[in-house]
Amino acid sequence: DAGVIQSPRHEVTEMGQEVTLRCKPISGHNSLFWYRQTMMRGLELLIYFNNNVPIDDSGMPEDRFSAKMPNASFSTLKIQPSEPRDSAVYFCASSSLGGGRKAFFGQGTRLTVV
Amino acid sequence: RKEVEQDPGPFNVPEGATVAFNCTYSNSASQSFFWYRQDCRKEPKLLMSVYSSGNEDGRFTAQLNRASQYISLLIRDSKLSDSATYLCVVQTSYDKVIFGPGTSLSVIP
Repeated sequence: DAGVIQSPRHEVTEMGQEVTLRCKPISGHNSLFWYRQTMMRGLELLIYFNNNVPIDDSGMPEDRFSAKMPNASFSTLKIQPSEPRDSAVYFCASSSLGGGRKAFFGQGTRLTVV
Repeated sequence: RKEVEQDPGPFNVPEGATVAFNCTYSNSASQSFFWYRQDCRKEPKLLMSVYSSGNEDGRFTAQLNRASQYISLLIRDSKLSDSATYLCVVQTSYDKVIFGPGTSLSVIP
């Protein structure tokens, strides 16, 4: 059974470029979360979706960040334009209500903005 | 105040020791509680859920005190393989899943 799949695993980009991170949740899960992890700030919740609908995006740092979930099997997190301070590991996680909200994580995308 | 707070650590303990991690949360309406483990440069993985009555899984025991808004994790007979960062996780109202900052554990031979 495939887990949460994220792509790319690593991304190096220049400041000002657009970055798109992708996530495929576990089939049947109806909640999806995007997190950002840095040494300084730990694991921060950016946004989460229930049944493809964004519920809380209060963690999105600024307007340069946007997330979409066009269907139950795909989500994107976009940063435009990217800045060096966006460098972090971005995790996607999914869960189902029946699972008591246990969240399962993808392997993450390590983003470096130079 | 952060929604979920943990002991800052790091904890350095010898093999075989018992170690306890503490966690507090601010939202009294929180509904579900978990401990996750994260190895270096890996994704967080679920270690165990935390139930009101307390629960045990082998060498690991989790406790929840709703009145004090406090969660704990006890590891007995610690192994080298227990070295990791332990994350306290709270599901708040509206299904928000919040992670604490984590406590680093190093088990020393």
